[in-house]
Amino acid sequence: GQQLNQSPQSMFIQEGEDVSMNCTSSSIFNTWLWYKQDPGEGPVLLIALYKAGELTSNGRLTAQFGITRKDSFLNISASIPSDVGIYFCAGATSGTYKYIFGTGTRLKVLA
Amino acid sequence: DTEVTQTPKHLVMGMTNKKSLKCEQHMGHRAMYWYKQKAKKPPELMFVYSYEKLSINESVPSRFSPECPNSSLLNLHLHALQPEDSALYLCASSQEGTGSPLHFGNGTRLTVT
Repeated sequence: GQQLNQSPQSMFIQEGEDVSMNCTSSSIFNTWLWYKQDPGEGPVLLIALYKAGELTSNGRLTAQFGITRKDSFLNISASIPSDVGIYFCAGATSGTYKYIFGTGTRLKVLA
Repeated sequence: DTEVTQTPKHLVMGMTNKKSLKCEQHMGHRAMYWYKQKAKKPPELMFVYSYEKLSINESVPSRFSPECPNSSLLNLHLHALQPEDSALYLCASSQEGTGSPLHFGNGTRLTVT
């Protein structure tokens, strides 16, 4: 099925560093979601975005809905070991229940 | 703790078996979803129920049969599966209306032998 491109695919960072990742699509979306998934568990919703240009924070996490509506960005500030996991973006167009998921960014934090 | 509960957590079945996966939510959500996730891959949509009616079937083989007995429950009936069907099966729910965020359960890890 269709997938969104996420980058980077994986990254190692030092504890305390800031992290940036993005998600791009060839289609316009009306909703962007960001999830974190730990091994053996389901994805957990981090941030939901509904409007082009919107910037939303959740603790150390900040996400933005790109103004072209074809991309979204997630930043994590001052990373800690428990930030380790896989981060997925997901996008949906108006009038559909069909969310398309990104390919994922695997984050590893070095203490 | 997730508000979407899936059982069983793990399931091993032979190719001739019939089994069912169960999902329950009590958030009053009116849309429920089944996703399939292979290792190191994103979740892939299988089915969507909206107001207890099948809304989306992503061309899933008939050996997977969904059922939505009521607004809180979602089942996935499995029959004559293949080893390549081994995966994490995730249930999700969302409020009525498109664009509402998905809330996932912790999944059922299915192994087909």
